[in-house]
Amino acid sequence: DIVLTQSPATLSLSPGERATLSCRASQNVGRYLAWYQQKAGQAPRLLIYDASDRATGVPARFSGDGSGTDFTLTISSLEPEDFAIYYCQQRENWPLTFGGGTKLEIK
Amino acid sequence: EVQLLESGGGLVQPGGSLRLSCAASGFTFRSFAMSWVRQAPGMGLEWVSSIDTSGRGTFFADSVKGRFSISRDNSMNTLFLQMTFLRPEDTAIYYCAKTRSWVPIAKGEDYWGQGTLVTVSS
Repeated sequence: DIVLTQSPATLSLSPGERATLSCRASQNVGRYLAWYQQKAGQAPRLLIYDASDRATGVPARFSGDGSGTDFTLTISSLEPEDFAIYYCQQRENWPLTFGGGTKLEIK
Repeated sequence: EVQLLESGGGLVQPGGSLRLSCAASGFTFRSFAMSWVRQAPGMGLEWVSSIDTSGRGTFFADSVKGRFSISRDNSMNTLFLQMTFLRPEDTAIYYCAKTRSWVPIAKGEDYWGQGTLVTVSS
């Protein structure tokens, strides 16, 4: 199975700052990587698919980059509603796997 | 508006069975692959199973293979997850999710239900 390692586990930033989240795959997944946001008590929300394509309705401050084994999710200027947990997911091979998540918290 | 409404969760003893349903509306159900994803209390997301548009192509996590089955009724716009030989480690919120493509492995899950809680305990 493909293992996804997300870093850091926790990221403490202030509104207005730039956030950079990392996801590393144990083997090449091409560009078949998605990012999700999950707020407390809510279902996950798809942000990015195919490494860099924004899902419908996702603000332009969210961007994804990377290919192969190294990927990043960048939030250009944090809004209060962006503080949540973020998960990456590979879609190159079955079984689909998620990373352990990065918790983005208010500093 | 896309809506996914799960039902069928509850408390079950180890070794027991449960059938989850997911009623879909607001999109052409038969045209999209569907998935189940679960989340144990306080833990991260775990993909459980996916199914293609016809229902003939099914995929499972190793942790549930041989115990769970996935199916769909395109005439009723409903997705199912039949869970047997349940274990305490199956305790989780189970989310029904729509894949963004007709291909089960492609893109990502772009709509999610609110989840149904399954608790496996004696």
